[in-house]
Amino acid sequence: DGGITQSPKYLFRKEGQNVTLSCEQNLNHDAMYWYRQDPGQGLRLIYYSQIVNDFQKGDIAEGYSVSREKKESFPLTVTSAQKNPTAFYLCASSIGSGTGRFEQYFGPGTRLTVT
Amino acid sequence: SQKIEQNSEALNIQEGKTATLTCNYTNYSPAYLQWYRQDPGRGPVFLLLIRENEKEKRKERLKVTFDTTLKQSLFHITASQPADSATYLCALGEAGYGQNFVFGPGTRLSVLP
Repeated sequence: DGGITQSPKYLFRKEGQNVTLSCEQNLNHDAMYWYRQDPGQGLRLIYYSQIVNDFQKGDIAEGYSVSREKKESFPLTVTSAQKNPTAFYLCASSIGSGTGRFEQYFGPGTRLTVT
Repeated sequence: SQKIEQNSEALNIQEGKTATLTCNYTNYSPAYLQWYRQDPGRGPVFLLLIRENEKEKRKERLKVTFDTTLKQSLFHITASQPADSATYLCALGEAGYGQNFVFGPGTRLSVLP
């Protein structure tokens, strides 16, 4: 089955701790994204990567970090510097630029609660 | 400032009627516009993409229009069913920004039996 997976589905952390959210895809997509969704709001872009070993900040990158060492994997670390980390985090992938295809495939999401 | 607005937050319609959702934008020049469906607690699912030079796109019971003069897209679901109840998100992509899209806040559609 081709798709994009995120784990865990629910994550609880104490304030001051870093936490890493997993995102894996077997769609052979070049581009991957991390979004944050808060209640009643649209998706806001945290980081994106168009190709392995390269990534760019999105609109709300402060307090987050990513890596893209493998095509299939794009983990997101929520650091203690993120002031309001409790949210629903969504990972997505798309085929990549130059293809004329823009649809994004989303994972099931990770709901992070920090207390 | 840049803004994407979608309908009201929620829309209720009777089963069998046509649902019409709007996506209005300010200070964007999108070359592409996408619509996604999101069920509670799940990731969005891609439905349709329309390009700036296309007026209308159809897929089964779905129809999307794109008016760059009005800066608006309309998303129609004909013969709506309770299973169509979900939140629908529009997303704008500007030329030169690669695969990056900016998402609207969504409209929660409820189709009542």
